[in-house]
Amino acid sequence: DVKVTQSSRYLVKRTGEKVFLECVQDMDHENMFWYRQDPGLGLRLIYFSYDVKMKEKGDIPEGYSVSREKKERFSLILESASTNQTSMYLCASIQGGRENTGELFFGEGSRLTVL
Amino acid sequence: DAKTTQPTSMDCAEGRAANLPCNHSTISGNEYVYWYRQIHSQGPQYIIHGLKNNETNEMASLIITEDRKSSTLILPHATLRDTAVYYCIVRGPSNSNSGYALNFGKGTSLLVTP
Repeated sequence: DVKVTQSSRYLVKRTGEKVFLECVQDMDHENMFWYRQDPGLGLRLIYFSYDVKMKEKGDIPEGYSVSREKKERFSLILESASTNQTSMYLCASIQGGRENTGELFFGEGSRLTVL
Repeated sequence: DAKTTQPTSMDCAEGRAANLPCNHSTISGNEYVYWYRQIHSQGPQYIIHGLKNNETNEMASLIITEDRKSSTLILPHATLRDTAVYYCIVRGPSNSNSGYALNFGKGTSLLVTP
């Protein structure tokens, strides 16, 4: 079964802490994404990556950075967590090029609470 | 990418067909219509997509009007497990540097009742 795995389902951090959210996919997909989801706002794209070491800003990149050192792993980094970053974070991946079917595969989500 | 409009919420009786509408009146000729759903506390799940023709798979059917300005997702025999938020998304063909991201709106919250 194809899979996108997020390292933690639930995290509680303090304001100012550095937070790493890890995502691993086993489908050899080139493209990976980080979204956040908040009540009333839907899913919003933070960053995406279309290849190793490549990254692009999404709609709300402020306060976040990302790392893609290996094809299967895409990390979201909160350099100094703030309370307004309390949210559900969703990682997704998709095949690129001719094999792309339009199907995004999502992880289960990581619910981050910043106190 | 074209914007979509969906009802905020809908109800459906178990065993009946659930018909979820989506308006995308500004859709361009090369833009696809995608449907995803998100069950509570899970990540979104792909359902189906189409360009011009109606599509059917094991989960649902997608009916796209001839002018492509609207579409309907049909769950032929809704079950309680189909209770979820359903997202209709329009997106053009992707290029390698940007286009695979999908913009999820707020979707339709479907409640299937016994």
